[in-house]
Amino acid sequence: EAGVTQFPSHSVIEKGQTVTLRCDPISGHDNLYWYRRVMGKEIKFLLHFVKESKQDESGMPNNRFLAERTGGTYSTLKVQPAELEDSGVYFCASSQDPGNTEAFFGQGTRLTVV
Amino acid sequence: GDSVTQMEGPVTLSEEAFLTINCTYTATGYPSLFWYVQYPGEGLQLLLKATKADDKGSNKGFEATYRKETTSFHLEKGSVQVSDSAVYFCALEPGSNYKLTFGKGTLLTVNP
Repeated sequence: EAGVTQFPSHSVIEKGQTVTLRCDPISGHDNLYWYRRVMGKEIKFLLHFVKESKQDESGMPNNRFLAERTGGTYSTLKVQPAELEDSGVYFCASSQDPGNTEAFFGQGTRLTVV
Repeated sequence: GDSVTQMEGPVTLSEEAFLTINCTYTATGYPSLFWYVQYPGEGLQLLLKATKADDKGSNKGFEATYRKETTSFHLEKGSVQVSDSAVYFCALEPGSNYKLTFGKGTLLTVNP
């Protein structure tokens, strides 16, 4: 069974540009999560989808970040325009049920804004 | 709010040495506690977990016991291997929604 897959693995962009990160969850997993680790700091929750609906987006830092999950399958996280402080590793995770089953993480996308 | 504090490291050990990575937490209620591991080039993997006080999670020779009285969940292994070199993250989940709060991570390097 394929795990959680994230694209790209690395992205280097200039300040002010737009970047879109993609996450393909494990097939059949309704719950999808985005997390971010800024260098040297904690991994922080960004948001949680249940199917195509945003269940909790309390961790989204500001309106430059837009997450979508059309059709309840893969998800994208767009940063527009990117700022230097957006640099970090963005992780996606998926699970069948929240709380009762394990969430599986992808390998992360390392975003560098220069 | 909820928070997790763990040894920041880096920690460097020789093979077969004893490992302890300290983790303490602050949370309301009775969170579930986790240790995740990230091997080089890979994603986060759940290493072990405990869901209530005095539970012991264990996996791959690693253990951690949920201590409510000291709000701790220290990770231990009796004899580390080179293949254990990775970043270890302590985390908590306050409810049943898998919204995790992580510590900063501890880089462990095990030398032969």
